[in-house]
Amino acid sequence: AQTVTQSQPEMSVQEAETVTLSCTYDTSESDYYLFWYKQPPSRQMILVIRQEAYKQQNATENRFSVNFQKAAKSFSLKISDSQLGDAAMYFCAINSGNTPLVFGKGTRLSVIA
Amino acid sequence: DAGITQSPRHKVTETGTPVTLRCHQTENHRYMYWYRQDPGHGLRLIHYSYGVKDTDKGEVSDGYSVSRSKTEDFLLTLESATSSQTSVYFCAISELSTEAFFGQGTRLTVV
Repeated sequence: AQTVTQSQPEMSVQEAETVTLSCTYDTSESDYYLFWYKQPPSRQMILVIRQEAYKQQNATENRFSVNFQKAAKSFSLKISDSQLGDAAMYFCAINSGNTPLVFGKGTRLSVIA
Repeated sequence: DAGITQSPRHKVTETGTPVTLRCHQTENHRYMYWYRQDPGHGLRLIHYSYGVKDTDKGEVSDGYSVSRSKTEDFLLTLESATSSQTSVYFCAISELSTEAFFGQGTRLTVV
């Protein structure tokens, strides 16, 4: 079974600053995929970034980047130059092959103007 | 945006009544999922489908059944709704080893 742990239920960041959200996971698979999803107050689930486990290079999407530490089974999300629109719930998730996505419990991010 | 539609978007029902939620996709994705979201629990998998008439249970399947008679439709049924099934329900679709795309969610209240 695959599990995902997000140890920070809530985080806050000042506008324009950088924040890092933590995620650790456990899997017995050698080939898997990791994701960060954002859920704003609208409730829509939005894919932020994905990382294939076989890729050593950390994924980056504009202001969002990950620190993927495969040996430590860690997959943190860094948000640079935080904006008010980044305020949301963030979910870390994992899947492999044809297994469904398994989610962490989420981190609620507040952005302070 | 992926073509995925959930209906209804909101529903209030009484304890003991049957409820069916519908998920419709226009993307021809093989996999379809039903998750429920509750505070402090993230998203938990109820059931999923890997093809027409091929379904499997998830982490919290008790009290729920599903059907998939066509590629584009995945139905979630609560045979006899209970207050513990008050939640927000999300449908998602994906292909093999790719990210999932989510519907807008259905808020179900059982009174």
